Amino acid sequence: GNSVTQMEGPVTLSEEAFLTINCTYTATGYPSLFWYVQYPGEGLQLLLKATKADDKGSNKGFEATYRKETTSFHLEKGSVQVSDSAVYFCALSNQAGTALIFGKGTTLSVSS
Amino acid sequence: GAGVSQSPSNKVTEKGKDVELRCDPISGHTALYWYRQRLGQGLEFLIYFQGNSAPDKSGLPSDRFSAERTGESVSTLTIQRTQQEDSAVYLCASSLTGGQGRYNEQFFGPGTRLTVL
Repeated sequence: GNSVTQMEGPVTLSEEAFLTINCTYTATGYPSLFWYVQYPGEGLQLLLKATKADDKGSNKGFEATYRKETTSFHLEKGSVQVSDSAVYFCALSNQAGTALIFGKGTTLSVSS
Repeated sequence: GAGVSQSPSNKVTEKGKDVELRCDPISGHTALYWYRQRLGQGLEFLIYFQGNSAPDKSGLPSDRFSAERTGESVSTLTIQRTQQEDSAVYLCASSLTGGQGRYNEQFFGPGTRLTVL
C-alpha cells in the first residue's frame, strides 16, 4: 500500500543553516506529493506541492523536487530562520485523490 | 473569508460515552475529509465526502466510528462507546474539488483534541 517515511526529528539548527528533511514514499501509480507545515499553536497548512516527476515545488524559500527514480521528495531550505521552527509533514495523495497519506512529521527547531 | 472551523476545540469524555465532533468547511468547497492524529504519529485518513457521491469510508478504524455530511455543508464525526485509544486530535479539511483535480488543495481546521479517560 501507499506509505510515506520521513526522517525522525527533532532537527535542531542555528539560524542561517542549511536544512534538509528527507522524505521517501511507496505508492502505486503517480501520486501528487506535498509538504505541510504546522507552526506552534496553528493549524496544518500546505507549504508546497509537486504533481509529476521532476516537478519542483517551492514556497517561502523552501524547495522539494519530485524524484521518481529514488521515490523521494526531500525538503530543503538554504538559510533557515527562527520563524521556520515548526513541524513538517510529507504527504502523498492516494490514487483516487480521496485522501492524503502522511509521514509522522519532523520537528524543526531553529535558534538565533 | 473564513477557514475551516471545528468544534469543540477540546473534549474530555469518559470511556464508554459517545461523542460528536463538528466540522464547518469553507463555503463552496465540495470535498471534505476527516483525519486523526494520535500522539507522535502522522495524520491517519478516516473518511472523505465529495458532493452527493457515496463517501470513502475506507479509513474508519472500527464500526464505532461514523460520519455524516449534509449536502456540501457541515459534517459530524461520531464515535460511539469511546475507548482510551480514541484519544487524539481529530482534524477536518475541505477542498474546492475532490479527486486528482487541479483545485484539490486541502485546507485544514484547527482540530478537536479528544481525551478519553
